[in-house]
Formats: sequence, structure tokens, C-alpha cells
Amino acid sequence: GENVEQHPSTLSVQEGDSAVIKCTYSDSASNYFPWYKQELGKRPQLIIDIRSNVGEKKDQRIAVTLNKTAKHFSLHITETQPEDSAVYFCAASGSGGGADGLTFGKGTHLIIQP
Amino acid sequence: EAGVTQSPTHLIKTRGQQVTLRCSPISGHTSVYWYQQALGLGLQFLLWYDEGEERNRGNFPPRFSGRQFPNYSSELNVNALELEDSALYLCASSLWRRVPSYEQYFGPGTRLTVT
Repeated sequence: GENVEQHPSTLSVQEGDSAVIKCTYSDSASNYFPWYKQELGKRPQLIIDIRSNVGEKKDQRIAVTLNKTAKHFSLHITETQPEDSAVYFCAASGSGGGADGLTFGKGTHLIIQP
Repeated sequence: EAGVTQSPTHLIKTRGQQVTLRCSPISGHTSVYWYQQALGLGLQFLLWYDEGEERNRGNFPPRFSGRQFPNYSSELNVNALELEDSALYLCASSLWRRVPSYEQYFGPGTRLTVT
């Protein structure tokens, strides 16, 4: 089955700096890659996603890049703010296709230092 | 538009007992997914229901089961509870069949504690 590795497990950046979280996946049939943000005690919130026919997608301060050949994808957050502090999870759809259950990475705890 | 809802919020059970968790998807969504979020293990896929049928299951034993009703709500049943079943159980829904969208939206979860 699919396996998703996520790095780093903890990331501390100064407010206003950029943050990058990286993930690799194993199943070349995966075609959907969402990112979720989970604040303490709250549900995971979908913040951005990308499909395998696209290399990059941006939404204001957040961007995701996908390299299908290398089987890795990354989340980029620019001009970080205190409210960006949370745990971020990457995920991949696996061989079942985009509608199937997701395989998640272990998460990155992003800490924004004032 | 109401989001995904789950009940109950918290649950305490004894090892060996059985439990049923409930999920109502976003109105119009036909797919429901169940995930387990245990400490240190991240989010793990349990089950996927679509149009009333089980479409796929993750790497969990058969004592984890469920069903989806005609109104697309869903139940997750866990039999013969074990201590390691203690976790946050999250339900998500999506609209992929009606619109080509794979986005899954999560409910607030049910916190299960097994003693």
C-alpha cells in the first residue's frame, strides 16, 4: 500500500519568515495530494490540495509543489503569522484514486516565534 | 451550510465492550470516511463508504466495521475493545461522485477512551 513520509516533525520559524514542509510517497498511482492544518483540540482543516496533472498551486501565502518523477511534494508558507502555528499533515490518495481513503504523513508541528 | 457532525463527543468504555460512533456528512455528500488518530500514530484510514456500500478499508482487524444509511449518515462499530483502541475517531465526507472533487472535510471527532 501507500506510504507517506513527512519532514521535519517540528519546525520553528520567526514570524514573517517562510516555512517549508516536505513529503514523499511510495505509490506512483497516487493522484491526489491534500494538506491539512490541525490546531490543538480541533478537527483537521483542508488548506490546499494538488492533483497529479499539476506541478504547482498557490493560494495567497500558501503554495504546494509536486514532483511526480521524484514522488515528493512540499508545502510552502510565506510571511508566516502567529495563527499559522499548528500541526500540518500531508496525505496521498494511493492506488485507489483520488476518492479513496487517504494515507497521511506523521505531521509537522509548526511553531511561529514572535 | 452545516459541516460534518459526529456523536458522541467523548466516550469511556471498558476493555472487551462494544461501541458505536455516528457521523452525519455535509448535506449532499455521498462518501463517508472513517479515520483513527491515536497518539504518536497520526491519522490512519479505517473505512470508506459510498452510496451505501463499503468501498475500501484500511489495515484494521474485522472487529472494526460500519455501515452507511440511505441518508448517507454512517456508523462505526468497534467490537471487543482493546486498550490500544483509545484514540480520536474522525469522520470525513466528500462529494466526489457528483462533482469531480476529491476534497474530504472532517468532523470534530469522537474521543474514545478504553480502560
